[in-house]
Amino acid sequence: GAVVSQHPSRVICKSGTSVKIECRSLDFQATTMFWYRQFPKQSLMLMATSNEGSKATYEQGVEKDKFLINHASLTLSTLTVTSAHPEDSSFYICSAPGGQLNQPQHFGDGTRLSIL
Amino acid sequence: AQSVTQLDSHVSVSEGTPVLLRCNYSSSYSPSLFWYVQHPNKGLQLLLKYTSAATLVKGINGFEAEFKKSETSFHLTKPSAHMSDAAEYFCVVIGGTGRRALTFGSGTRLQVQP
Repeated sequence: GAVVSQHPSRVICKSGTSVKIECRSLDFQATTMFWYRQFPKQSLMLMATSNEGSKATYEQGVEKDKFLINHASLTLSTLTVTSAHPEDSSFYICSAPGGQLNQPQHFGDGTRLSIL
Repeated sequence: AQSVTQLDSHVSVSEGTPVLLRCNYSSSYSPSLFWYVQHPNKGLQLLLKYTSAATLVKGINGFEAEFKKSETSFHLTKPSAHMSDAAEYFCVVIGGTGRRALTFGSGTRLQVQP
């Protein structure tokens, strides 16, 4: 079945560092991908919609200059957390939609980001 | 707007007893609903989906859910809990008006006691 690969699975870095997270669709093309954020013991919240070849669409309250999204090909979307601070520590998960509108999505395994 | 409400943040059952995780939805039209499971520090695994076909949906690992329009509910059940079922469960609705992003419920943590 369709697989989404997300890397890295875990990142620990110092405050002020920029961190890039990759999300790849391995056996299908994804013109759209989604980035979610999950704080400990909380649900997933949509951060942004990544669109291949165009600008990402950010949810209200998400800083686009802080969370840079690039979707340069049909199989790769990247999320860069710029100048990360401890409050950016979270679990980030990407997904790609199924073929039809109401079909389930394929999720990456997530990235645990810890900023010291 | 679409939304889902998971009525219990935490459910604890004994191994071998039934599981019931409750979910109510709000939608301006016929929704597509899903249940996902998340084990600690892992991504999400699809358990089952409802997309306007049969109202009783069977999923993986013995889970099933029934879509009840009159009650706007989509509760997840399993006849007999296993220790391996301990995880976080999310009821999810897909966005409306062509929007494909998912809206997640707040999650229910299932604890299975030996």
